[in-house]
Amino acid sequence: GAVVSQHPSRVICKSGTSVKIECRSLDFQATTMFWYRQFPKQSLMLMATSNEGSKATYEQGVEKDKFLINHASLTLSTLTVTSAHPEDSSFYICSANPGQSRSEAFFGQGTRLTVV
Amino acid sequence: TQLLEQSPQFLSIQEGENLTVYCNSSSVFSSLQWYRQEPGEGPVLLVTVVTGGEVKKLKRLTFQFGDARKDSSLHITAAQTGDTGLYLCAGAGDYKLSFGAGTTVTVRA
Repeated sequence: GAVVSQHPSRVICKSGTSVKIECRSLDFQATTMFWYRQFPKQSLMLMATSNEGSKATYEQGVEKDKFLINHASLTLSTLTVTSAHPEDSSFYICSANPGQSRSEAFFGQGTRLTVV
Repeated sequence: TQLLEQSPQFLSIQEGENLTVYCNSSSVFSSLQWYRQEPGEGPVLLVTVVTGGEVKKLKRLTFQFGDARKDSSLHITAAQTGDTGLYLCAGAGDYKLSFGAGTTVTVRA
């Protein structure tokens, strides 16, 4: 299967600082990547769709100024959590779809963010 | 409101027993995927079903897609402790996936 790499896997930061999470498709190009947030023992909540070369599409209720998404190349999307607060602590996961198939998603390993 | 309803939410069984997880929706999907996620990791794709009535087998796992392409089931035969995890179904829409709430499966030794 296709490989999606996410970095870092864990990060602890202080309140008020910003954290950047990277999502890379290693063996395919992805014009679209997706960012999810997941709370313990719950499903994935789609935050935004990252589009290469254009603005991200955010889901309702997700603050675009707080969760900055940049998709500068066909293999890299970044999510920056700005001015992080403890309530932003969560598990963030990215995914990408290889080829023309829009249905099968391959996920990164996830990033555990803890804001103290 | 979840577009896809998964049941049960939690399932705990003894090793060697069988289990079934259900995924239901009022919407029709072009395809449906099943994923398994272990703690601290991203979901891993298990299978994609596309055709109504389709049945796919993956070793001890059997996946069915309903005739109307609105529901699906995952059956595990003779469960092993390695089957423990969060099972997610996801329906394919225009360009993104809609996930069910997930079923947490625990297989006890």
